[in-house]
Amino acid sequence: DAGVTQSPTHLIKTRGQHVTLRCSPISGHKSVSWYQQVLGQGPQFIFQYYEKEERGRGNFPDRFSARQFPNYSSELNVNALLLGDSALYLCASSLVVGRYNEQFFGPGTRLTVL
Amino acid sequence: SQQGEEDPQALSIQEGENATMNCSYKTSINNLQWYRQNSGRGLVHLILIRSNEREKHSGRLRVTLDTSKKSSSLLITASRAADTASYFCATEKDSNYQLIWGAGTKLIIKP
Repeated sequence: DAGVTQSPTHLIKTRGQHVTLRCSPISGHKSVSWYQQVLGQGPQFIFQYYEKEERGRGNFPDRFSARQFPNYSSELNVNALLLGDSALYLCASSLVVGRYNEQFFGPGTRLTVL
Repeated sequence: SQQGEEDPQALSIQEGENATMNCSYKTSINNLQWYRQNSGRGLVHLILIRSNEREKHSGRLRVTLDTSKKSSSLLITASRAADTASYFCATEKDSNYQLIWGAGTKLIIKP
């Protein structure tokens, strides 16, 4: 079975632009979470979606938005890019939302903002 | 903000030696998880220990949890070159099941 897939692998944008990152969860998984990982730090939680509804949001500005589609894939959108948005964006899927639910991570999208 | 803090930030040992990494956290948790990340890519789940457990084993991995001290340790025995990676602890909060991560320990195994 395919794992979590993310696209694109790498992306270079300039300040002020907009970016859309995509994630396909493991087949059968209904929950998707997004994380931002700045170089040298641990991941920071951005969003969690379950059954197409937002279940959690981290401490990120409104420039960050996301959605989940009926097939459980997800998009993360970032508007008005800043240099500080340069990071590895990780998507994780899990069967459901709840305690002890193991998350499976994709390889990430490396975003560079110039 | 990050919940956990790993210690040390970096660790370099010889192949065959044991590696111990520590994690401290601040608030009450459902469980604590350890992940491995190679070369800044995707994270691989290693082991999950529940808040009512004190020790757990998986192959060469041994994890302990002390909820009174809000700390955990990950022991990798008989290290191999392939264990070279960054190791992160993540805590799951009771209120919203979100994972809060530490900054990681970078482990280098020298052949």
